[in-house]
Amino acid sequence: DTAVSQTPKYLVTQMGNDKSIKCEQNLGHDTMYWYKQDSKKFLKIMFSYNNKELIINETVPNRFSPKSPDKAHLNLHINSLELGDSAVYFCASSGRDRVFEKLFFGSGTQLSVL
Amino acid sequence: EDQVTQSPEALRLQEGESSSLNCSYTVSGLRGLFWYRQDPGKGPEFLFTLYSAGEEKEKERLKATLTKKESFLHITAPKPEDSATYLCAVQADQTGANNLFFGTGTRLTVIP
Repeated sequence: DTAVSQTPKYLVTQMGNDKSIKCEQNLGHDTMYWYKQDSKKFLKIMFSYNNKELIINETVPNRFSPKSPDKAHLNLHINSLELGDSAVYFCASSGRDRVFEKLFFGSGTQLSVL
Repeated sequence: EDQVTQSPEALRLQEGESSSLNCSYTVSGLRGLFWYRQDPGKGPEFLFTLYSAGEEKEKERLKATLTKKESFLHITAPKPEDSATYLCAVQADQTGANNLFFGTGTRLTVIP
């Protein structure tokens, strides 16, 4: 009964491909996030999303797009993958809408672009 | 410029050897400072939130403190299972309501 689960755990793909990472939370949280962790362990937010609002970090290329079929799911689609996209991607959720609570993270998806 | 700086980058301790990790921040309008623990191959796990200077929080062998410029994570008599990367993050007026700005962490190794 993992609180925030994401799949796949590992993703190896060629440059130029399109891929998706799925995320589901069973905590009943309103807000979900995607974070990117680079090789130096730096965690940077990519998106936050709740029922009402998608907030996009302006540094994220538009090749990345979050899609939320319902409140419990936030998937990440990546088009035309580049070498620099290689990183670990974390999904997270938090409890209150627009008032920050602690984040619950998934176990990460290690993306390797060859 | 860096908003959150953690030091040291890596720390090796003998079991039972107490020490402190530092998190310095330069944001204005701090709303909260957070400590997370991250084990290899896993996502960060929440430890503490501190909201105002002078505040302290404790959990087992860990104690977090906050001043106007920095936070310390004190580890008392650490055990090997405390080995992990400890991440500090801040939420501030400039980061927005739903955004944390993370440091790059301190990788702690506790040797039996």
